[in-house]
Amino acid sequence: QKEVEQDPGPLSVPEGAIVSLNCTYSNSAFQYFMWYRQYSRKGPELLMYTYSSGNKEDGRFTAQVDKSSKYISLFIRDSQPSDSATYLCAMGGPYNQGGKLIFGQGTELSVKP
Amino acid sequence: GAGVSQSPSNKVTEKGKDVELRCDPISGHTALYWYRQSLGQGLEFLIYFQGNSAPDKSGLPSDRFSAERTGGSVSTLTIQRTQQEDSAVYLCASSLAVIAKNIQYFGAGTRLSVL
Repeated sequence: QKEVEQDPGPLSVPEGAIVSLNCTYSNSAFQYFMWYRQYSRKGPELLMYTYSSGNKEDGRFTAQVDKSSKYISLFIRDSQPSDSATYLCAMGGPYNQGGKLIFGQGTELSVKP
Repeated sequence: GAGVSQSPSNKVTEKGKDVELRCDPISGHTALYWYRQSLGQGLEFLIYFQGNSAPDKSGLPSDRFSAERTGGSVSTLTIQRTQQEDSAVYLCASSLAVIAKNIQYFGAGTRLSVL
């Protein structure tokens, strides 16, 4: 079993839809939770970063972390064609155990105009 | 300022040849990471550097893989006697320091194809 599980999709939605992306994990030592966005043939870029349970909002994006369930989510409101990319969840920690990140497989998202 | 730079962006090689992949981190970043992304897969950790030392090499797939970092800056990932299963995108990231809460910034990667 992988430490981080993520449905690879692909996921196709119409423009304006709400998108929900999810990851589950098994290592309770993870303390930092990130979502990266990766466009085709580009490197991943950080989208959202959280280190505790709860919600964090940034514009059209909301990240949720539920440590008790070992489950994280990313919501995209009013999705746009420019949101079409692969979304990778990543996890790290504990604080003093180096900065190695464990990534999910990535979910390929396509937003159709 | 400049981001993480990787070269070459693409590399095609024949099975059995050695290859070197280069990473230039963001200036001032002491931590440097190498990951591998195979087709349809997430990123797989290979090795990280704190300064010039590599405390964690646990992700290197075999002894054909090695990496070094000089002057606390540029890093080179070397793959000896390449095999077809080495074909992947090799990504480098850097961060201010080697602690879990620091954000990692990625380069665009080197796309390696072993024929």
